[in-house]
Formats: sequence, structure tokens, C-alpha cells
Amino acid sequence: SQQGEEDPQALSIQEGENATMNCSYKTSINNLQWYRQNSGRGLVHLILIRSNEREKHSGRLRVTLDTSKKSSSLLITASRAADTASYFCATALSSSGNTPLVFGKGTRLSVIA
Amino acid sequence: AAGVIQSPRHLIKEKRETATLKCYPIPRHDTVYWYQQGPGQDPQFLISFYEKMQSDKGSIPDRFSAQQFSDYHSELNMSSLELGDSALYFCASSLGGLETQYFGPGTRLLVL
Repeated sequence: SQQGEEDPQALSIQEGENATMNCSYKTSINNLQWYRQNSGRGLVHLILIRSNEREKHSGRLRVTLDTSKKSSSLLITASRAADTASYFCATALSSSGNTPLVFGKGTRLSVIA
Repeated sequence: AAGVIQSPRHLIKEKRETATLKCYPIPRHDTVYWYQQGPGQDPQFLISFYEKMQSDKGSIPDRFSAQQFSDYHSELNMSSLELGDSALYFCASSLGGLETQYFGPGTRLLVL
């Protein structure tokens, strides 16, 4: 019943490589957000992309959104050991600022130094 | 910058006991959300408040209740605790009309 499904579930790469994580969702959305979670810690907001946007950049992060395929991808370039964390996509169903987020299952990224 | 504060950070309870989790949103934020994250799971929305009124309700058990007070802090009250309630409980806040939610560090609840 989850709105978002992410793949891969786990990803292990060498430092300096790029990491790509994908997220698919089921219903129409207003925006999609990506969060990072270090083991057992809080969720840190990374980037928000609206339904009328195709691509967005923030530092080493690049997010794409394909509303026709109901999917999004998060690319982390030149990964660092500190990028090791779980990454979740989350969707907001309406344009209201008070809308709860529906999270995907998450991708566990391990960056090996 | 001030962040979302949650207390306590860790809590151990016995089955059938009660627990109260507290959340202090970022100053001027008027919306508070509660999420539950089981071990190895994604966060699940429980309940939210906007301007001290319940805004949305998710998968919150009837044994749980919550409210937002006049100073905008929120409390999640959990009664008749079960083993399955062991989880990380996150509070998030946002400024009404803006979509970004800022999460607190979470309260780790262990029910024995």
C-alpha cells in the first residue's frame, strides 16, 4: 500500500563513483521529496521537486521526475564515505502545505572509502 | 538555526504501560506531524496538527492520542503499549503553506 517504491534496496559503491537511486509512486502528486537518514537518526531533507519540474540540482545531487512514468531518480555524484545512509523518497499528494508525506521503502547506500 | 526538538530521546517501557512523547517545532512553524518508523521500515504517518487543530489522520492506533498546545508544541500519548509499538517516533514541523517538513531527531521507544 506504499505510495513509493524504491530500488535498489541496497547499493554499495566506491568513493568517487556516482550513485543512482530510483523511486516509483502510484498516484498523482504535487511534489516529491528526497530525504537522507543516517542509521537510526533523524530524516534530513535533501531536495524537493514539483510535479511541473523535470530536473533539479543541489550541489552534488541531481533529481529527475517523470510524471508520465510516475518515477523519480536521485543521483549523487562523486560520492563520499559520509554519503553512507538510507535515502527515502516521499510524496505529497496535494498542494496544501499541511499534507502528510508518504515515504518509499528507502535505499541503503554504502560508500566504501 | 533552531531545529525540531523531541523528548525524551530514548524511552523504555513495559507492556501495557503508557508513554508520552513531546515535540517542540521550529519557532513560527504552525504545523506538526508525527511519524512512526519500525525497525528496517519506512516512516509511516500517524497524525498532524495545524494551528492546534487536528489536520490529517493516518495509521494511528486508537490507543494513541495527540494534541497540539497553544505554544504549538505537541504531545503523543500512547497507552496500553504493545511490543509492536517499539519504533522510532519522529516529529516534523512546517510553516503552513510550505511543503518542506523538518524532522526532529526522533524518540526511540522500546517496549519490553
